[in-house]
Amino acid sequence: KAGVTQTPRYLIKTRGQQVTLSCSPISGHRSVSWYQQTPGQGLQFLFEYFSETQRNKGNFPGRFSGRQFSNSRSEMNVSTLELGDSALYLCASSFVSGLNTGELFFGEGSRLTVL
Amino acid sequence: AQSVTQLGSHVSVSEGALVLLRCNYSSSVPPYLFWYVQYPNQGLQLLLKYTSAATLVKGINGFEAEFKKSETSFHLTKPSAHMSDAAEYFCAVSENNDMRFGAGTRLTVKP
Repeated sequence: KAGVTQTPRYLIKTRGQQVTLSCSPISGHRSVSWYQQTPGQGLQFLFEYFSETQRNKGNFPGRFSGRQFSNSRSEMNVSTLELGDSALYLCASSFVSGLNTGELFFGEGSRLTVL
Repeated sequence: AQSVTQLGSHVSVSEGALVLLRCNYSSSVPPYLFWYVQYPNQGLQLLLKYTSAATLVKGINGFEAEFKKSETSFHLTKPSAHMSDAAEYFCAVSENNDMRFGAGTRLTVKP
């Protein structure tokens, strides 16, 4: 069974630009959650989608948004990029909604560098 | 809101020695607790989870963790470290479907 696939793996943007990251969950998984990982802040929860609906949202500004498609693939978008948005963005999928199960399967991440 | 504190951002052990990675949590309700491992350039992988069943939880790769409510701790142990255990380990707590991760502990295993 294929794992969680994130694209692109690496990207470089400049301040003010916007970026879209993609995540394909494990087949059959309907929940996708996104995390930002930085050396200073660690792992921070961005949002979770289940069956195309946002179920939970972390404390990030509105520049961070996401969506989920009918095939469970998810995208996250960051607009008006800032230097501080440089991070590893991790996507995780799970069979059921809700993070209490902990049964999250992570992708390898998309490393974003903002110059 | 719940939170997790991992004591020690770096831990170094010799191969064959005991591994002990510390995690303390705060939660207003009985928590769900997890340990994840992250190898270089990879995503996180679930090692084990506590969901209010047995207080001693066994995970993959010989790791286990004990839930101690009185100490609000969920420390991760492995009796004998292997070189392949070198990685970053994250403790996490989930409450009301809101998962919070600790800052992580980088484990180094010396030959």
